[in-house]
Amino acid sequence: AQSVTQPDIHITVSEGASLELRCNYSYGATPYLFWYVQSPGQGLQLLLKYFSGDTLVQGIKGFEAEFKRSQSSFNLRKPSVHWSDAAEYFCAVGPNFSGNTPLVFGKGTRLSVIA
Amino acid sequence: ETGVTQSPTHLIKTRGQQVTLRCSSQSGHNTVSWYQQALGQGPQFIFQYYREEENGRGNFPPRFSGLQFPNYSSELNVNALELDDSALYLCASSLATPGEGYTFGSGTRLTVV
Repeated sequence: AQSVTQPDIHITVSEGASLELRCNYSYGATPYLFWYVQSPGQGLQLLLKYFSGDTLVQGIKGFEAEFKRSQSSFNLRKPSVHWSDAAEYFCAVGPNFSGNTPLVFGKGTRLSVIA
Repeated sequence: ETGVTQSPTHLIKTRGQQVTLRCSSQSGHNTVSWYQQALGQGPQFIFQYYREEENGRGNFPPRFSGLQFPNYSSELNVNALELDDSALYLCASSLATPGEGYTFGSGTRLTVV
């Protein structure tokens, strides 16, 4: 069965510092991978996605993620964090080609940004 | 291009009651999925509809049911509400093939008292 592990429940970084959020997945085939961000009381906004091709993908708000098949990882990075990046971040594994398998989410990592 | 809209944004129900949540999918999307997000957890898949038929279901009891309409909008119905049903309910729309990804609504916050 598909599963996603986000090892860090809560991370605190200083504004301007770099950020890396970890994500490990378990999937039987080439996965579709996603990172979503959720502000308090809000829905999920897609940051970036990986389906195939270049293993380094660029997303919105200056985020990027790298797919490493050998490590079953899809870590999210940002070189310089802004206070507005404080939110909950979710990694998700997507469906197979037929599209009738749901997204499986990790439990999320809460990001706090300090001055 | 309109996004996914959900209604209501918040509601409070009493244990044992029934509730209907609504979702309008993004223009051009024909697949709708529903997720339950308990406090401090990631979203959990409830079910998915494609062209008015349920074509995937998570580990939720039958008292969770749904509909999809010809315009691809959708409803989630929950009967015999329990306290543990208190959560944020998220609707996501997509095309049948996942290449475009999923667009989520802002959710409905359900509180069962």
